[in-house]
Amino acid sequence: GPKVLQIPSHQIIDMGQMVTLNCDPVSNHLYFYWYKQILGQQMEFLVNFYNGKVMEKSKLFKDQFSVERPDGSYFTLKIQPTALEDSAVYFCASSLAGGRQDTQYFGPGTRLLVL
Amino acid sequence: GDSVTQTEGPVTLSEGTSLTVNCSYETKQYPTLFWYVQYPGEGPQLLFKVPKANEKGSNRGFEATYNKEATSFHLQKASVQESDSAVYYCALSKGSNTNKVVFGTGTRLQVLP
Repeated sequence: GPKVLQIPSHQIIDMGQMVTLNCDPVSNHLYFYWYKQILGQQMEFLVNFYNGKVMEKSKLFKDQFSVERPDGSYFTLKIQPTALEDSAVYFCASSLAGGRQDTQYFGPGTRLLVL
Repeated sequence: GDSVTQTEGPVTLSEGTSLTVNCSYETKQYPTLFWYVQYPGEGPQLLFKVPKANEKGSNRGFEATYNKEATSFHLQKASVQESDSAVYYCALSKGSNTNKVVFGTGTRLQVLP
């Protein structure tokens, strides 16, 4: 099936530093998402991005977070500065369209540890 | 707000026995319901989805019926295999222009040979 790639698979970073998580979505998809999963908890929606804009963000999407996809390259999640509570697995997803029936395809996740 | 509640794991079964993972949901709108499966080191992958009430979804011997009256979407399989060991997520999406997916907490299934 369609594959979403995420780079890196693991990242360890000191609190206060900047981190960029990269996502290579399915090639013809138009909608992009980030979800966050803290160990032992459920996966939670962070943000949805379409046509160069954030469409919706949750309360977990703090001011320190930003997303972009410059010119069809990686879809990125940047955290600047990082905090201890940002330690989690971050999953990227993409979908062809934005309806309730449209399937989101998930990457394998980036495991972020903030020390 | 929207929420999904499912059987707490872990669930341990012997190969060949039957599986039921309960899922109930709460939302004011008309969602599409999903079951996702996640294997170690991978992201969730779609098992199947059902967009319409009273319809059944199925894949690889797993099935679930969208019960709008009971707001439930229980996952069942008649005979599990060791390769079914994974984490199963019930989820919903309401669509509009955001298509946010709301996940349950996941149920870890371990099938013993």
